[in-house]
Formats: sequence, structure tokens, C-alpha cells
Amino acid sequence: QSVLTQPPSASGTPGQRVTISCSGGSSNIGRNSVYWYQQFPGTAPKLLIYGINQRPSGVPDRFSGSKSGTSASLAISGLRSEDEADYYCATWDDSLSGRAFGGGTKLTVL
Amino acid sequence: EVQLVESGGGLVQPGGSLRLSCEASGFIFSDYYMDWVRQAPGKGLEWVGRIRNKANSDTTEYAASVKGRFTISRDDSKTSLYLQMNSLKTEDTAVYYCARAITATTRGIGYWGQGTLVTVSS
Repeated sequence: QSVLTQPPSASGTPGQRVTISCSGGSSNIGRNSVYWYQQFPGTAPKLLIYGINQRPSGVPDRFSGSKSGTSASLAISGLRSEDEADYYCATWDDSLSGRAFGGGTKLTVL
Repeated sequence: EVQLVESGGGLVQPGGSLRLSCEASGFIFSDYYMDWVRQAPGKGLEWVGRIRNKANSDTTEYAASVKGRFTISRDDSKTSLYLQMNSLKTEDTAVYYCARAITATTRGIGYWGQGTLVTVSS
């Protein structure tokens, strides 16, 4: 059972805006930065969002992150077929003294 | 360019031991916190543990599921990270990723190796 809760699946059509939620608690999202990762089958995860909606070089501005209280969200605008992947949220949990990952959300582009 | 290359994975029997290595290049290894993260077949990401940098005494933290069985260490002179895994269980079967913090002061994971597969089976 993951400390952070994500919906197992999400979907959208090309051009649409999709959001993926990540719910946590006061010891994790409520106190610490949230990170979002994208993973394609058979490959390593890739950092998408960190800090207050910061994107590493090369990540399109179609990807954005937000946080409110003990929840966070990843938004993907102008959805493209190549966005079909698994998405994970992560943060530090002060109670566990460890890093916590969400269970992952499989995004399907219809 | 940041590069992280894991090695040492393979097939091991339950109760056995295995040592994974991660050779780093393209950055000042000694400045960074480093993590191990694993992913069981068809499952999500699971944090294994991390080691701080020398400035923070190379201290370590572990997930409850591996504490007391796994040990993370580093050799800054060899720019290498290690994961010693003892008393392995079938549920430890996973791809193990070596990972680096985003920056020397932003400690979330920013870079990942390609992973090495560990299979625990009789």
C-alpha cells in the first residue's frame, strides 16, 4: 500500500488536457516538495516536475505541476500520443524518514 | 552528461546475497546524495534507501522492507555506489535503479541509471 495515492489509470484524447492527482498527508506532501516522473515500458523513469512547478531542461511546458495542502496534481495539456506512459508522484515522508512514491497512473491516449 | 551504470544483478537463491554496483560519471560524485529504487515486475516504484554525501557524514536511510538486510555504501574515490543485499527473499525480485539527486541541494531524484535485474528464486 503506497503512502501516496494516485488513480491507477487516466485517459484522454489528443489535444485534451488531463490531470493526474496524488494524495498524501501532513508528513509528506504537506511538508515537502513533490516530484513527478514519467516512465515508458522497459525504461528508467524520467523527471518531469520538481519544486514549485519547475521542469528540467527538455521537458515541454505542456507538463505542469501544482500542490495544495496534502495533495498534488500533474497536468498535461495538448495531449499527444507520445505522452502515453506511466506517471509517478514522489516526495519525502518525515514520519517514515524515507522517500515515498505513489502507486503510479497509467495514462492512455485514446 | 550525467551517467549512472548499474551492474551486479542476476539470479540468486532465497537467503542468498548479492552486491550491486553503480558507476557514476559526468558530475562531482562526492557532492551528491544517492538513492537506490526498485521496481518489481509489473509493479510501481519502491524506494530502497539513500546515502548522503561526505559533508553529511555518508549517513544512510532505508525503507522498512529492507532495513537490517540491505546496506548502501559509496566510494567517492571510485565514483561508485553500492547496494549489499543479504537474506534475500523472493519479494526482493525487481529491477534496481541507482539514482542521483537533482542538484547538490535539491534532494529529490533527478537522474536514473538503466537498472539491473535481480531475480530471487530457487
